[in-house]
Amino acid sequence: QKEVEQDPGPLSVPEGAIVSLNCTYSNSAFQYFMWYRQYSRKGPELLMYTYSSGNKEDGRFTAQVDKSSKYISLFIRDSQPSDSATYLCAPQRGSYIPTFGRGTSLIVHP
Amino acid sequence: GAVVSQHPSWVICKSGTSVKIECRSLDFQATTMFWYRQFPKQSLMLMATSNEGSKATYEQGVEKDKFLINHASLTLSTLTVTSAHPEDSSFYICSARDPQGNTGELFFGEGSRLTVL
Repeated sequence: QKEVEQDPGPLSVPEGAIVSLNCTYSNSAFQYFMWYRQYSRKGPELLMYTYSSGNKEDGRFTAQVDKSSKYISLFIRDSQPSDSATYLCAPQRGSYIPTFGRGTSLIVHP
Repeated sequence: GAVVSQHPSWVICKSGTSVKIECRSLDFQATTMFWYRQFPKQSLMLMATSNEGSKATYEQGVEKDKFLINHASLTLSTLTVTSAHPEDSSFYICSARDPQGNTGELFFGEGSRLTVL
């Protein structure tokens, strides 16, 4: 079993839809839960992160972590074509570098 | 946020030649940089951790003699793919942490797409 599992998609949605992206992980030592966004042929950039369980909201994006079930989610409200990218979940243990999921490709069509 | 610059963004080379990729931290000093490799529709795979002034630490299965890493200054790390072969064709990305940051966020370069003919 991989440490971080993520469905690669692609996930195709119409503009304005609510998007739900998910990951599961196996290492209970993970403390930080990051989401990176990667546009085609570019390096990833940090979108947002949460520490431990709970929700965190930033504009149209909400990150959610349930440590009891080892489940990580990212919700995007009012999705836009500019949100089309690959979203990588990246849980992290302390100051160690994150463990990346394979990413979910999201396509938001007008 | 911190900026990491990578060069070249793409390179095509003949089989058997060597290719050097540079990774620079532009507005901060990075004692440690990380080199990743990414195949299409696959996750980022950590290849090695580059340490300023000392030898790089390679992940299991990564040939250190094939992927030479040099971190001669606090703002520059280089990855040299020696005697490249078509199977080395991939997207190589470097990253670093801003030591002034408190999130442990990794800042990534733009990536270098290598095609070996």
